[in-house]
Amino acid sequence: EDKVVQSPLSLVVHEGDTVTLNCSYEVTNFRSLLWYKQEKKAPTFLFMLTSSGIEKKSGRLSSILDKKELFSILNITATQTGDSAVYLCAVVAETSGSRLTFGEGTQLTVNP
Amino acid sequence: KAGVTQTPRYLIKTRGQQVTLSCSPISGHRSVSWYQQTPGQGLQFLFEYFSETQRNKGNFPGRFSGRQFSNSRSEMNVSTLELGDSALYLCASSLLGLLVGYTFGSGTRLTVV
Repeated sequence: EDKVVQSPLSLVVHEGDTVTLNCSYEVTNFRSLLWYKQEKKAPTFLFMLTSSGIEKKSGRLSSILDKKELFSILNITATQTGDSAVYLCAVVAETSGSRLTFGEGTQLTVNP
Repeated sequence: KAGVTQTPRYLIKTRGQQVTLSCSPISGHRSVSWYQQTPGQGLQFLFEYFSETQRNKGNFPGRFSGRQFSNSRSEMNVSTLELGDSALYLCASSLLGLLVGYTFGSGTRLTVV
C-alpha cells in the first residue's frame, strides 16, 4: 500500500523566516509527487515533480524530489502571514490513474 | 472559467440517514474524483469516475457509492450514516484524468449527529 509521511505536522514561524517541509513516501511504480496548499477548504496546486522534473521553483517557493532516497522537500523563503496554511504532499503511482495518496499535511503558521 | 462546484456546502444529518453530495466539474473535464478529509486520517481517496464509469476505488465500505452523469457531473451517496462519516468531502476534476490541471472544489462539510 502506498504511504506518505510528512514532517513536521505543525510549525510556527515569524514573518521573514525560511521553512522547509518534508515528505517521504513509499509507492510502487512511482509516477509523480505533488504539493498542495490548503488554506480553508479547496487544496490548491503548487508543484508536480516527476522523474523528468525533480526541481521546481515559483517565486519564494521551491521543491525538490530525491527519487533515490524517496523524499521531497518544500522550501518557503521570506515567509509571509499569507503563507499560513496546511501544506499537503501526495504521490501517484503509474497504475493508479489520477488517484492521489496524501500525507497528513503540515500546518504552517506564520506570525507577524 | 468556473471552478469545481460542490453542493451543498454544509450538511447536518442524523445517524442512519443517507446523504447525496454533488460535484460539477470544470467545463470540459471528464474525470471526477472524490476524497474524504478528516483530522485523524487526512485526505483519503474514495473513487474516480471517467466518462460515466468508475475507474478506480479506494478502501471504503459499500455504504459509499457514486455515479457520474453524461454531462460529467458526479454524485456520491453515503447510506446508513455513522458518526465517523463526519468529514469534509472534496471532489477534484481533470480533463482526462491527468494530473495537470487537477482541480479541487471547496468541499461539502458533512456533520453526522
